[in-house]
Amino acid sequence: DIQMTQSPSSLSASVRDRVTITCRASQSISTYLNWYQQKPGKAPKLLIYAASNLQSGVPSRFSASGSGTDFTLTISSLQPEDFATYYCQQSYSPPFTFGPGTKMDIK
Amino acid sequence: QVQLQESGPGLVKPSETLSLTCSVSDGSISSYYWSWIRQPPGKGLEWIGYIYYSGSTNYNPSLKSRVTISVDTSKNQLSLKLNSVTAADTAVYYCARLRVVPYYFDYWGQGTLVTVSS
Repeated sequence: DIQMTQSPSSLSASVRDRVTITCRASQSISTYLNWYQQKPGKAPKLLIYAASNLQSGVPSRFSASGSGTDFTLTISSLQPEDFATYYCQQSYSPPFTFGPGTKMDIK
Repeated sequence: QVQLQESGPGLVKPSETLSLTCSVSDGSISSYYWSWIRQPPGKGLEWIGYIYYSGSTNYNPSLKSRVTISVDTSKNQLSLKLNSVTAADTAVYYCARLRVVPYYFDYWGQGTLVTVSS
């Protein structure tokens, strides 16, 4: 199985901050990497697919990049509704695996 | 837009079979792949498997011996069966639509908590 890691595991930030989350795969996954946002008690929501493609309806303050084994998700100016847990997920080969998550809270 | 709704017992006894249904509305189940994903309380996400509307499947090897995913196109539903459950199977279970090439989960149900306990 392809193992996914994320850093940091948690972070505290303020509204209007720029934040970056990193995701690393245990082997090259090309650009088969997706990002999800999950709020407490809710299902994950797709933000980014194929490493850098913004899902329809997702604000443009979210962006992502990377290929191979290293990927990043950036939020350019944090809004109150962005405080959540973020997961990366590889779709290079089954079993599809998720990172352990990065929990973001308000500083 | 597509809506997914999971349903089934919230409590299952150890060694028994967990059975869930996902109803798809505002869209056809045909021509798409569908997945089940679970999340133990306070933990991360685990992919269980996927099914194409035609019935072909792919399961997570860690669960393959215990899992069956099926689809009923006439009812626009997919189902999950997980047998010989233990407390480790306690989780919120989600169904999701899987887009392919590239693969990603674009629509999710709200999830349903299943607790394994006697």
